[in-house]
Amino acid sequence: QSALTQPASVSGSPGQSITISCTATRNDVAIYNYVSWYQQHPGKAPKCLIYDVSNRPSGVSNRFSGSKSGNTASLTISSLQAEDEADYYCSSYTSNDTSVFGTGTKVSVL
Amino acid sequence: EVQLVESGGGVVRPGGSLRLSCAASGFTFDDYGMTWVRQAPGKGLEWVSGINWSGGNTYYADSVKGRFTVSRDNSKKSLFLQMNSLRAEDTAFYFCARALDGSGSYPPAYWGQGTLVTVSS
Repeated sequence: QSALTQPASVSGSPGQSITISCTATRNDVAIYNYVSWYQQHPGKAPKCLIYDVSNRPSGVSNRFSGSKSGNTASLTISSLQAEDEADYYCSSYTSNDTSVFGTGTKVSVL
Repeated sequence: EVQLVESGGGVVRPGGSLRLSCAASGFTFDDYGMTWVRQAPGKGLEWVSGINWSGGNTYYADSVKGRFTVSRDNSKKSLFLQMNSLRAEDTAFYFCARALDGSGSYPPAYWGQGTLVTVSS
């Protein structure tokens, strides 16, 4: 079964840029361009930040950007702000015709 | 504005059943695939099930296959998740989510606020 591995935590100072990686155990990320990224604040529903690897939904800040290289997808948050402190999840379509979520990354703003 | 409101959560004994509902508004419901995602308290997200725009194609995670059934009623703009043979490990917040297109198997885009299901004796 597919799995997506993310670092447990990433931190940065206000104004800095950070990058969160998302590595697939199988080659789903490499094959398909259906990778999304979500932000979740405590007690809230997830919010989609990126879809189809690098596209931002309307209303999402351009400080958030997505990319992929081989079987690893990445989310970069530039000009880090206090409000970016949250949990972040990646998700990818899989060859089983389902989707899978990453293990999640807690972002701390120092 | 896309709105998704889940209902039907509650406390159920192991082996019991529960039916979740999701009422959709703010978009043309039968244009889009729909998904259920769950999150155990303090844990990560888990994709559970999806259904395409017509209801003709359904998809399940291995952890719920054979126990859960997803369905939709496009005339009522509603999504359902029938959960049978519930286990303690099914305890979670269940989120209804909308796709970006008619498929139900791609990562979702818009999310409801969730409903809590607790399986406990």
